[in-house]
Amino acid sequence: DVKVTQSSRYLVKRTGEKVFLECVQDMDHENMFWYRQDPGLGLRLIYFSYDVKMKEKGDIPEGYSVSREKKERFSLILESASTNQTSMYLCASSPHNEQFFGPGTRLTVL
Amino acid sequence: GIQVEQSPPDLILQEGANSTLRCNFSDSVNNLQWFHQNPWGQLINLFYIPSGTKQNGRLSATTVATERYSLLYISSSQTTDSGVYFCAVPTQGGSEKLVFGKGTKLTVNP
Repeated sequence: DVKVTQSSRYLVKRTGEKVFLECVQDMDHENMFWYRQDPGLGLRLIYFSYDVKMKEKGDIPEGYSVSREKKERFSLILESASTNQTSMYLCASSPHNEQFFGPGTRLTVL
Repeated sequence: GIQVEQSPPDLILQEGANSTLRCNFSDSVNNLQWFHQNPWGQLINLFYIPSGTKQNGRLSATTVATERYSLLYISSSQTTDSGVYFCAVPTQGGSEKLVFGKGTKLTVNP
């Protein structure tokens, strides 16, 4: 079975903090994704990585950066967290076409 | 870009009833996924179904790519089927990125 794990289920941070969200997959997938999900706005792609050290901006990259130093791990970084980044963050991985999701991280920025 | 519309937006059933969820898309696609988002927020893969029909227990899905729609059938619904069902298709031919519909929220009452 494909397994995608995320470092935290719930996270509370303060405005201005640097926040790291980690995602790990165990299936040697080439592609990894970060989404955020907000009521009324659906799932929106933040960043996408198609190989180690390779990344591509999604629909809403502003305020975020990513890191992929190893194939199995894809990190989302909020350089200076703001209240409008309070959201559900979902990570996914894909060998080709079919995406598999982790359990999600509910981030609250106070 | 490609548009994805799901219907109905909300559906309330009594346990044991059957239902059909629909996903329309505005352009030809080479793959389509159905997901179930459980109450804890995780997206669970139901089907990867570019065309044809697949069945998994009480759930089945049919994609008619030439007519640009897919249907998800749930038979003998159970309270654990409650949640939001999403369909997703590639943003464009050959892309690894997906665009999601807004989902159908299903509530199954005992």
